[in-house]
Order: sequence, then structure tokens, then C-alpha cells
Amino acid sequence: EIVLTQSPATLSVSPGERATLSCRASQNINSDLAWYQQKPGQPPRLLIYGASTRATGIPARFSGSGSGTEFTLTISSLQSEDFVTYYCQQYHSWPPPTFGQGTKVEVK
Amino acid sequence: EVQLLESGGGLVQPGGSLRLSCAVSGFNFNIYAMNWVRQAPGKGLEWVSGISGSGGSRYYADSVRGRFVISRDNSKNMVFLQMNSLRAEDTAVYYCAKPRAAGTLDILDYWGQGTLVTVSS
Repeated sequence: EIVLTQSPATLSVSPGERATLSCRASQNINSDLAWYQQKPGQPPRLLIYGASTRATGIPARFSGSGSGTEFTLTISSLQSEDFVTYYCQQYHSWPPPTFGQGTKVEVK
Repeated sequence: EVQLLESGGGLVQPGGSLRLSCAVSGFNFNIYAMNWVRQAPGKGLEWVSGISGSGGSRYYADSVRGRFVISRDNSKNMVFLQMNSLRAEDTAVYYCAKPRAAGTLDILDYWGQGTLVTVSS
């Protein structure tokens, strides 16, 4: 089973600043990585797939990069609604498709 | 509009059983695989099970294999999760989730609101 490690667990950023979230895979997953956003009390929302392709309706301030074992989700200018939790997910080797443990973005 | 609506959660004693249902609409259900993903209180996401569009292929996480059974009724646009021999660690919100592309299981673009399963005596 492929293990995804997200860092940091909590990221403190000021509104309007850039946030950079990391996801590391325990083995090569090419670009088979997705990012999800989850607000409290809501289901996850797909942001990025294929490591860098934005899902339908996702604002351009969200971008993904990386391949192999190192991946990054960047939020270029944090809006108030962006201070929530983000998960990465690999689908290179499944079952199971595995998730990272999450990064919570909080207001600095 | 794609919609997924889970039901069937509740409080059950350890060792008990529960059947979750997910009613879907807004897409060609019988060509899409479907998944169940769970989230324990305050914890991260865990994929639980997946089933192909025809129902002929079924997949399970090691943590539930042999205890949970996934199925679907394409005539009713529904997917089910029969959960047996429930344990305290199965306590979670269970989400039904649709993959982005037909014929795949992996990238989940629509999720239901979830149904809470609590396993406790």
C-alpha cells in the first residue's frame, strides 16, 4: 500500500498570502495524484487531479505541481473560505486508493 | 445535476450489522463505478470499498474485507454497503462517492453528504 505523507499538519498563513502544501508518496506514483478540500461538516471537494489539472469550477488561485513522489498544492492568495483542510490522494496503485492525513490551513 | 444521498446510518452495538444505501441521480449510473469512503470523527479519509458499473468487480480495504459487502441495483440507481461484525473503530461518517470518469474508480468528483455510523454499547 502506498503511503502519502502531508506536511505540515497545520499551516498558519495570513489572508491574501500564498500557501504551499506538500504531499510525499512512499513510492513513485507518476502524476496519479488528486487534491481535495474539506470544509467542516461537509464532504470533500475535488480540486486537482493528474497532479496539476484543476477540476471543473475550481478557481485559478489553486494550482498543483509535482510528479513521482513529491507534490505541491499552492493557493496563490488565500481567501477566507480557503482556511480549511486539504487532503491528497493517490490512485496510481489501487485498491486501495490512499489519502494523506491532511493539512489544516489556519489564519495566522 | 449530480446528486448522491446516503441513508441508513445510526447507532449499533459492537458485533451488530447495518446496511447503508446511496441513491444517485443526474448521471448514467450503470456505467460508473461507485465508492464508499469513511471518516472517523476528527480524523482523515479512508477508502472503504468500490464496485464496478456492472457490479461484477468489487474491492475492499483490508480493514473491512470479510465483514462488509458492497452491492448495487442499477434499476434503482442505488449502491449499498452491508456492514457486519461492526467494531468501535468502524465509527465514522460514511460517504458515497462517484468517480470523475466512467470505467474508473479513482478520482472522486461528487460526494454525498454522508451518513454517521456509531458503533457503541
